[in-house]
Parts: sequence; structure tokens; C-alpha cells
Amino acid sequence: QVHLVQSGAEVKRPGASVKVSCKTSGYTFTKYYIYWVRQAPGQGLEWMGIINPSDGDGRYTPKFQGRLTMTRDTSTSTVYMEVHGLRMDDTAVYYCARSLDDILPRFDFWGQGTLVTVSS
Amino acid sequence: EIGMTQSPATLSVSPGERATLSCRASESVSSNLAWYQQKPGQAPRLLIYGASTRATGVPARFSGSGSGTEFTLTISSLQSEDFALYHCHQYNNWPLTFGGGTTVEIK
Repeated sequence: QVHLVQSGAEVKRPGASVKVSCKTSGYTFTKYYIYWVRQAPGQGLEWMGIINPSDGDGRYTPKFQGRLTMTRDTSTSTVYMEVHGLRMDDTAVYYCARSLDDILPRFDFWGQGTLVTVSS
Repeated sequence: EIGMTQSPATLSVSPGERATLSCRASESVSSNLAWYQQKPGQAPRLLIYGASTRATGVPARFSGSGSGTEFTLTISSLQSEDFALYHCHQYNNWPLTFGGGTTVEIK
């Protein structure tokens, strides 16, 4: 059975960094791309970037370029997403989701979400 | 970046009635559009991809249509479990973008 299990809620100060994990199971880790999507309170979904677990290659939406790092650990089938230089408007629920295809992605399984609160 | 606009923002429907949700893209996305359902405190769930193909396990009362810039999600007879937030999502161009969502609430 496919599972994507994310790390727990975080509270951070402005300017800090946060690292969220997404541990996968139930499928071949290197076969599916992992996308990160966030949802600010009361807002819609916002795509952040994608990582290829096979080679670790990450691609980020321009808005997050320079502030976002995605990595993976093939030994534990886990993907990590780190946001640097946090701002108040980074407060959101962060989701990982998998897709077999990176050209025409569709997200068939999602993590449960991780609430990141940025507050002084 | 392609803008996605969903309407209405909130749709009030009685159980058993039909619900029609709209999604408009600022430029053509071909048929590369998906619909997701999200319930409070849960992650989104894939309903429709390729504008009209139901995902595995999605009931037949959900149907998608459209291409180019205009898309529709129809729920033929609303069940209690269908009251939720619905997102449209284009994956034709990077960056991928989502609409602002339509909340389907009980009338």
C-alpha cells in the first residue's frame, strides 16, 4: 500500500529555515517524481517544485528559486524540502505528492501535510 | 504563468442535485487539466485528469469536460461525501498552477 508520511508541524522565526520530510513506502521510490505544493490559510494550492528521486535533480518554480532546496535519501525512501529565509507569508500547510510523469504530472498519492507557522 | 480562475467561489447545492463547477485558464492548456477534491484537514484527492478521465476509484457521478481555456467539473447527483473544496490544476506549462478553488456546500 502506498504511503507518503510527512514530518510534524513546525514553528519558526522569520529568517530561519525549515526542513520537511516526506517518507515514502509501498512503491519503487526511484520510479515516481515527488512534487511539493503548499496551501496558505484560506488560500488555494501553490506548486513549489519537483525532485527526481532517481538522480536527485530538483527543479523549482521561479518564485522559490534561491530559497528552496530539495534532496532525497534513497536508503530510507525519503524526500526532504527545505525553505530558507522564512517570511510570515510562508505560513502554510506543505504537501508532498507523487507523480509517475514529470511532463504531464498527476498526483495520485499525497502526504498528510505539514503545517509550518512563521511567527515572531 | 498561466492564471486559473474558478467560479463560483462557493456553490450551495442540495443533496441529490447536480453541481457544475467552472475553471478558466488565461491561455490554452490543451487538455492538460486536472480536478482535485479536498476535505477539511485532508490532502487533495485526484478526481479527473486529462480534462475528462476519471482517476482510479472515482465514482461515475463525477465528470469533466472542456479543452483549451474552458473546463467544467460536473457532479451529477451530490452525495453527502461530495461537499468539499474543489481545485482545478493546469499542467500544460511550467510553473504548474492551480485555481483558487470552489467550495461546494450544503444548501
